[in-house]
Amino acid sequence: AQKVTQAQTEISVVEKEDVTLDCVYETRDTTYYLFWYKQPPSGELVFLIRRNSFDEQNEISGRYSWNFQKSTSSFNFTITASQVVDSAVYFCALKTFGNEKLTFGTGTRLTIIP
Amino acid sequence: DTAVSQTPKYLVTQMGNDKSIKCEQNLGHDTMYWYKQDSKKFLKIMFSYNNKELIINETVPNRFSPKSPDKAHLNLHINSLELGDSAVYFCASSQDGVGLAGVRVEQYFGPGTRLTVT
Repeated sequence: AQKVTQAQTEISVVEKEDVTLDCVYETRDTTYYLFWYKQPPSGELVFLIRRNSFDEQNEISGRYSWNFQKSTSSFNFTITASQVVDSAVYFCALKTFGNEKLTFGTGTRLTIIP
Repeated sequence: DTAVSQTPKYLVTQMGNDKSIKCEQNLGHDTMYWYKQDSKKFLKIMFSYNNKELIINETVPNRFSPKSPDKAHLNLHINSLELGDSAVYFCASSQDGVGLAGVRVEQYFGPGTRLTVT
């Protein structure tokens, strides 16, 4: 069985602050994939990043960065210099090799205060 | 240019009615999915099709019936609608549902269909 936990239900920060969204996952599989999705107030689900279990390199894309640590089963997401447009619900998700099923966490609602 | 499209975007109907939601993807993907997002934003997979073949059926009431006429389309038909069916339904697709090293397994989602049953 696989599980994704996003313990932070809601986070509010003032614009330009940095913020980290936590994601902890559980799986017995050795090959798996982790994802982050963004759901802005308009409602669509936007794919942000995929990380494979065999690649622990951290990734940076502009103001976004992701920290994947197998030792703690975590895949955290940091936004630096946050902007109002970052306000959204962010979902972490897990998929194991050979299984089409994508398991989502319960999401973290991020509010950036101008 | 829309990668995954769904129609309609909003659907308001009465209990007991039958309704359909259509989904099309122009990404050339082999696998398509239906998800349900409830009022608390929880996302749960309902069905998955790979090249028109049903792969996943997650304990969904048999009032829900997916149909895939070809690998670019996956429609969702719902019979005898109930109040509890009110939710946002998302269609998604991925190049490879199973997952091979180096192959894209991420799922791309449609804009969602907000279904309200009164």
